[in-house]
Amino acid sequence: DAKTTQPTSMDCAEGRAANLPCNHSTISGNEYVYWYRQIHSQGPQYIIHGLKNNETNEMASLIITEDRKSSTLILPHATLRDTAVYYCIVRVAYAGNMLTFGGGTRLMVKP
Amino acid sequence: GAGVSQSPRYKVAKRGQDVALRCDPISGHVSLFWYQQALGQGPEFLTYFQNEAQLDKSGLPSDRFFAERPEGSVSTLKIQRTQQEDSAVYLCASASGGVQETQYFGPGTRLLVL
Repeated sequence: DAKTTQPTSMDCAEGRAANLPCNHSTISGNEYVYWYRQIHSQGPQYIIHGLKNNETNEMASLIITEDRKSSTLILPHATLRDTAVYYCIVRVAYAGNMLTFGGGTRLMVKP
Repeated sequence: GAGVSQSPRYKVAKRGQDVALRCDPISGHVSLFWYQQALGQGPEFLTYFQNEAQLDKSGLPSDRFFAERPEGSVSTLKIQRTQQEDSAVYLCASASGGVQETQYFGPGTRLLVL
């Protein structure tokens, strides 16, 4: 699976949009972009995934560039409870394929 | 509905002891994964089950680590003769199977080997 690059840490003001970037310049055509987050002392939580179209759910939006070499996870109105480590993972989608976690981005939402 | 549960949540073991960690996946989920997360690191894959079959154990760090899922539901990760470097959080995830299966994680078991 392709490797991803994320900033180590980011801050965001409560109530503002949090935009978390991810670079995956070596992504191949059959690899999906997945986002998970991990709040302190909890297991990773699935957020969203996509192949090439932008995706939105109740938690977040995922914007994937046309060349698919990068993406941005958007939390539209960040709250203190969104403080967590956010992982961008590129993965070929088939049953049983593991998730390969990198270092992630530590997002701190501040009041 | 109920998510993935793991027990115990915390385990302290003396070096050399054997430990067993339990995972109860989401009901009906075919796929089950185990991951190990060292302090300050992202989770790392250990092993994968499809129903009762262990199809991938490439991530198990040594032959002291053993996992089973005999009836295709509950899984147990066993670590024999624990060592200090085994101290980590052990995470279980389950998924429904299929091409775009999404893995759902449990809260993890934090193992401390003294």
